[in-house]
Amino acid sequence: EIVLTQSPGTLSLSPGERATLSCRASQSGSSSYLAWYQQKPGQAPRLLIYGASSRATGIPDRFSGRGSGTDFTLTISRLEPEDFVVYYCQQYGSSPWTFGQGTKVEIK
Amino acid sequence: EVQLVESGGGLVQPGGSLRLSCAASGFTFSSFWMHWVRQAPGKGLVWVSRISGDGSTTSYADSVKGRFTISRDNAESTLYLQMNSLRAEDTAVYYCARSYSVINQWGQGTLVTVSS
Repeated sequence: EIVLTQSPGTLSLSPGERATLSCRASQSGSSSYLAWYQQKPGQAPRLLIYGASSRATGIPDRFSGRGSGTDFTLTISRLEPEDFVVYYCQQYGSSPWTFGQGTKVEIK
Repeated sequence: EVQLVESGGGLVQPGGSLRLSCAASGFTFSSFWMHWVRQAPGKGLVWVSRISGDGSTTSYADSVKGRFTISRDNAESTLYLQMNSLRAEDTAVYYCARSYSVINQWGQGTLVTVSS
């Protein structure tokens, strides 16, 4: 099983700042199968990034993903008030599919 | 509009059983792999199970293997999760989800509480 470790657990920033979230895999699978999700309180997750770097339909271009091998990054270029929620990475190239434990982005 | 609507959650005693349903609409159900993902209160997302479009291929997380069974009725556009021998640690919101490679559509979830 591929274990995904997200860091930091909590990120404290101000609106307008840049957020950098990390996701490290315990083994190298295919970097084509790494996704990022956003989850707001009381809601289902929403797909942001798939294939490590492709934005999903309707996702603003302030969200970007990059990485390969075992190290992946989600960047939010300028934080909007609605971006202060929880983000999960997920790998879907190797069964069982696995999620990271999440990074909470909070207002500083 | 794509919709996934879960039902069947509730309170069940340890060792009991429950069957979750997910009614799908707005897309050709049989063309997509479907999944169950759960989230314990205040915790992260955990993938539970998936099933191929024709129902012939399934896989499970180790934590539920042998206790949970995923199935689907393509004529009724409905996904199921039969949960047996439930434990307190199965308490969670269970989400139904659709994938085309990546999971790109989620239901709103149904809460399962395992408690005496």
